[in-house]
Amino acid sequence: DTGVSQNPRHKITKRGQNVTFRCDPISEHNRLYWYRQTLGQGPEFLTYFQNEAQLEKSRLLSDRFSAERPKGSFSTLEIQRTEQGDSAMYLCASSLVGEQVYGYTFGSGTRLTVV
Amino acid sequence: AQRVTQPEKLLSVFKGAPVELKCNYSYSGSPELFWYVQYSRQRLQLLLRHISRESIKGFTADLNKGETSFHLKKPFAQEEDSAMYYCALSGRWKTSYDKVIFGPGTSLSVIP
Repeated sequence: DTGVSQNPRHKITKRGQNVTFRCDPISEHNRLYWYRQTLGQGPEFLTYFQNEAQLEKSRLLSDRFSAERPKGSFSTLEIQRTEQGDSAMYLCASSLVGEQVYGYTFGSGTRLTVV
Repeated sequence: AQRVTQPEKLLSVFKGAPVELKCNYSYSGSPELFWYVQYSRQRLQLLLRHISRESIKGFTADLNKGETSFHLKKPFAQEEDSAMYYCALSGRWKTSYDKVIFGPGTSLSVIP
């Protein structure tokens, strides 16, 4: 297990197109998180899963955004009808949560550019 | 509401000088606090957790509940400490922990 893996690393898309990103977490981690980061800002929470259940969605996540984690392993984040404001780095992280919270392990991110 | 603030966007110090990166938080319960670091062209990674009471790469952070602060300190800055630093908070909710909320980050530049 080499850590959290995200694909693709970069995505350039035309406005109005749909895009899908994939995240493969550390296998024994029960939680998976999606964050978005724009230049000069800290990561902003989008949504997270515990196993296959999506426990929370941020108000930042409009109805154009959908995330899945079908078997409690990898996750996908889809953005429909992309807008220029969606351009950002999309980060995935995983963690083990139980008696205490451990730190996140982040992926390298997917940089989305909407033109 | 949970919130993390880092008042300095940029901080420059000379090599060998002490460094303190400020972090304040607001949370009604008992939070867990973290510092994350991102070196140039690397992924975001955990630096240290309050719960571990650890010193990593010479950095320490003390939780001051009265001032709701979790400042990161190092007595002697090194050039390799130049990076983006994010303070982060996770709240306890019932028997589990909530998502982590990140501050806006402080860019530390250590001048040789």
